[in-house]
Amino acid sequence: GIQVEQSPPDLILQEGANSTLRCNFSDSVNNLQWFHQNPWGQLINLFYIPSGTKQNGRLSATTVATERYSLLYISSSQTTDSGVYFCAVTNQAGTALIFGKGTTLSVSS
Amino acid sequence: DAGVIQSPRHEVTEMGQEVTLRCKPISGHNSLFWYRQTMMRGLELLIYFNNNVPIDDSGMPEDRFSAKMPNASFSTLKIQPSEPRDSAVYFCASSRLDFAGELFFGEGSRLTVL
Repeated sequence: GIQVEQSPPDLILQEGANSTLRCNFSDSVNNLQWFHQNPWGQLINLFYIPSGTKQNGRLSATTVATERYSLLYISSSQTTDSGVYFCAVTNQAGTALIFGKGTTLSVSS
Repeated sequence: DAGVIQSPRHEVTEMGQEVTLRCKPISGHNSLFWYRQTMMRGLELLIYFNNNVPIDDSGMPEDRFSAKMPNASFSTLKIQPSEPRDSAVYFCASSRLDFAGELFFGEGSRLTVL
């Protein structure tokens, strides 16, 4: 089945720093989502981005479907950005949403 | 619009007891998913429904687990009898268009089986 790899696995930042999280996938996909799981365990939708670029405040995401990767950019990080960032993809058959193992981000003040 | 609503948020029970987790999907969404999250295995799909019909239950661990969706606004996940290894956070999610649509997750039900 499709493989989803996220990097880096862990990231430690000072408040105000920028970061880039990467998601590679092994096959064509028809859906890609980025989620933030906050320290309370809630899974919050960040982007639904099968292709192209989207921006929402300090966050933006780009998916290059032909090259099988997606990037999540966090600018001017804040302590509230801490948590785990998951990339999830739907296979071409549309029968499963596969999650990566996540990137754990810690932002300190 | 209200998001996906799950209950209970926390459940502590003893081994052998029956556990029922509940989910109300977002109105208008025709697909509903149950996921389980553990440290060891991450997020795993247990079962999903399309228009109230179970489509894929291959992720259900064993016969102790069952799920129902009697109508478009309600689903249950039942574990009977529960075991300590069932301890996990159980998430319900819904979308307009199965896995091709954007999935929205509830806040999860944290289950501890002693």
